[in-house]
Amino acid sequence: EADIYQTPRYLVIGTGKKITLECSQTMGHDKMYWYQQDPGMELHLIHYSYGVNSTEKGDLSSESTVSRIRTEHFPLTLESARPSHTSQYLCASSDGAGRSVDTQYFGPGTRLTVL
Amino acid sequence: KNQVEQSPQSLIILEGKNCTLQCNYTVSPFSNLRWYKQDTGRGPVSLTIMTFSENTKSNGRYTATLDADTKQSSLHITASQLSDSASYICVVSDRGSTLGRLYFGRGTQLTVWP
Repeated sequence: EADIYQTPRYLVIGTGKKITLECSQTMGHDKMYWYQQDPGMELHLIHYSYGVNSTEKGDLSSESTVSRIRTEHFPLTLESARPSHTSQYLCASSDGAGRSVDTQYFGPGTRLTVL
Repeated sequence: KNQVEQSPQSLIILEGKNCTLQCNYTVSPFSNLRWYKQDTGRGPVSLTIMTFSENTKSNGRYTATLDADTKQSSLHITASQLSDSASYICVVSDRGSTLGRLYFGRGTQLTVWP
């Protein structure tokens, strides 16, 4: 079982609200990721980080932002939620270490519903 | 375009039976292929990882095969259990990227009935 946690697990909010999805890991991994997954669809990378103060946008354009002030913490923020943001958000981490095979460990996900 | 296609989209089998899930990919260059199991409402959990030189890898009742020439992989589940009900996702990583770019399939939804 991977030591990576996400809160909240479920969130239902109204349009226009600011939200922050929390992700933390206790494995000391440098690399962390945020994915968006709709039902029956593949995961899409929306943000990633190689380490503290390093963040990059992923393949799927997202209106969310992220920060990496501490190694173990990688929160995702939506300044003004809209119904189109309704989805499952998965956080992952990996230790990288320069290896070609780098297993990502996933958190349980946050199911976000914007009304 | 780099893609990962999985079949079937969904599968129902009886407890104790075997099944095989398929994954075809066009990702190039190729680094490795992973199979993940994702329970409903949970994050994916890694089952196997295979690099270019590996043809087969087992993890308990799960056996993955890889044919890098035809760009195909399969995941064989032996003596299925109710707890095997989940989505099985094929993920391919390309080579040469510092990120190790991952390409995800949409998954095969497996349901095991008693």
